[in-house]
Amino acid sequence: DAGVTQSPTHLIKTRGQQVTLRCSPISGHKSVSWYQQVLGQGPQFIFQYYEKEERGRGNFPDRFSARQFPNYSSELNVNALLLGDSALYLCASSFEGEGYTFGSGTRLTVV
Amino acid sequence: GQQVMQIPQYQHVQEGEDFTTYCNSSTTLSNIQWYKQRPGGHPVFLIQLVKSGEVKKQKRLTFQFGEAKKNSSLHITATQTTDVGTYFCSAGNNRKLIWGLGTSLAVNP
Repeated sequence: DAGVTQSPTHLIKTRGQQVTLRCSPISGHKSVSWYQQVLGQGPQFIFQYYEKEERGRGNFPDRFSARQFPNYSSELNVNALLLGDSALYLCASSFEGEGYTFGSGTRLTVV
Repeated sequence: GQQVMQIPQYQHVQEGEDFTTYCNSSTTLSNIQWYKQRPGGHPVFLIQLVKSGEVKKQKRLTFQFGEAKKNSSLHITATQTTDVGTYFCSAGNNRKLIWGLGTSLAVNP
């Protein structure tokens, strides 16, 4: 079975641009979460979606948005990129109440 | 808001020595999850603890959840070079996990 897949793996954007990151969960997992990880720090929770509905939101500005599709895949959108948005963006999926399986992440660099 | 503190931040050991990382919270936790992240990699789920005083073992790794469900520990017996990485604890419910800053383990061969 395929694990959690994320695309693209690397991305370079300019300040002010918009970016869309994509995630496909493990088959059968209905919960998808997004995390931002800055080098040297632990993952910071951004969003969780379950059955296409937002179940949780972290302390991120409104420039960050996400959605989940009927096939449980998800997109994370970030508008008006800032230099500080440069990070590894991780997607994780899970069964309810179990541990998360993470994708390999998208490395976003904002210049 | 809920926070989890991990200590130590870094640990450098000689191969064969034991290693322990601690995760502490000021509030009672519903559960604790432990993850390992290798350099350049992504977090990999190790275990979830739910019950007060719970102890679980995975080969050389021993995980404990405190009686008051406010702290947890991960102990590695006789470290190997393959144990290198950052160990994170995360706590909360399934809707929002709060992550510690991690303990980075380096192992000298």
